[in-house]
Amino acid sequence: KAGVTQTPRYLIKTRGQQVTLSCSPISGHRSVSWYQQTPGQGLQFLFEYFSETQRNKGNFPGRFSGRQFSNSRSEMNVSTLELGDSALYLCASSLVLGGQKNTGELFFGEGSRLTVL
Amino acid sequence: DQQVKQNSPSLSVQEGRISILNCDYTNSMFDYFLWYKKYPAEGPTFLISISSIKDKNEDGRFTVFLNKSAKHLSLHIVPSQPGDSAVYFCAAQSAGKSTFGDGTTLTVKP
Repeated sequence: KAGVTQTPRYLIKTRGQQVTLSCSPISGHRSVSWYQQTPGQGLQFLFEYFSETQRNKGNFPGRFSGRQFSNSRSEMNVSTLELGDSALYLCASSLVLGGQKNTGELFFGEGSRLTVL
Repeated sequence: DQQVKQNSPSLSVQEGRISILNCDYTNSMFDYFLWYKKYPAEGPTFLISISSIKDKNEDGRFTVFLNKSAKHLSLHIVPSQPGDSAVYFCAAQSAGKSTFGDGTTLTVKP
């Protein structure tokens, strides 16, 4: 069974540009969530999608947005990039909203590392 | 307000000894507590979890203890192996949302 796939793995942008990151969940998983990891900051929750609807949202500005398609694939977009947006963006999937039943487990992809110059 | 805290950024132990990683939380409504392990250039992988109604869960060398009165959980690794060297994240889940700590870097020395 293929894991969570994120593309691109690495990218470099300049301030003011926008970026779109893609996530393909494990087959059959309907929930996709996004996290931002910066050095020393742990994983900060961005948002979670289930059945094409945003179900939960973290405390990030409106420049961060996302969507989910009917095949459960998800994209996140960051507009007007700032230096502080440089981070590893992680996508996670699960069968149901909020993680696997009975364990809460999320399945993570390897991440997209964004560098903003 | 950080709801999940890992107060030790790093921990170093000798191979074969016990590793104890700690995590504190503030929200009594969390349903599950989880530990994830992360190697560089990889995404976090699930290690072990515990329901909020239990106080201990064991899986091989890994045991998680939950002390609800102290709002504290810990992960014990016995015996520690060099391959356990990684960043360990504590996470707590409620209402469909997972909240992560900042991570503890574990180094197991041969």
